Amino acid sequence: SQQGEEDPQALSIQEGENATMNCSYKTSINNLQWYRQNSGRGLVHLILIRSNEREKHSGRLRVTLDTSKKSSSLLITASRAADTASYFCATGETSGSRLTFGEGTQLTVNP
Amino acid sequence: GAVVSQHPSWVICKSGTSVKIECRSLDFQATTMFWYRQFPKQSLMLMATSNEGSKATYEQGVEKDKFLINHASLTLSTLTVTSAHPEDSSFYICSASGQGARGLTDTQYFGPGTRLTVL
Repeated sequence: SQQGEEDPQALSIQEGENATMNCSYKTSINNLQWYRQNSGRGLVHLILIRSNEREKHSGRLRVTLDTSKKSSSLLITASRAADTASYFCATGETSGSRLTFGEGTQLTVNP
Repeated sequence: GAVVSQHPSWVICKSGTSVKIECRSLDFQATTMFWYRQFPKQSLMLMATSNEGSKATYEQGVEKDKFLINHASLTLSTLTVTSAHPEDSSFYICSASGQGARGLTDTQYFGPGTRLTVL
């Protein structure tokens, strides 16, 4: 079963704006990962954050993790039309274990 | 680095036939490969986890006799959908994790997916 819940389910913004997506989970985790999926394509790994980390950056991406609240957020700054995609969080309970995916957020960036 | 390929990218078959999907890690050794199924506008559902040289571990509700998984080498896993029926039509995605040049073990690298349509 999917333990991750993401909100919003859909987000529509204008180019240049920031986009924030949230993910909550239920069990203890070793790591949390964010992936992007363009329609009909495979998933692209964006960023991995471990349970002992609170924040991570990669380019225009910023991920936070609050293990006390069992939640994570993905912030995309200065969004572009090319950022339009579905974004999924996935949690790993132990190192190297299977991932459990959230339901995803469909982001639309309007030019 | 960390590229995973899948073949074929799409396949259309008649009901009752079997279809084999290949998943290859191109530039790293995949000690573990995962097979997912995804319905339109839904998230990924893990079907099974396979480790090289051992039997796959199937998720609850996934018929192992219907979805045969073989992970014969560190770079290749195959999923065979046996006696396919229209309800098996879906998007099948594999992922791989393992030791690579950067020693990554937790990140899963995904293939581009295979669209299966059973008529």
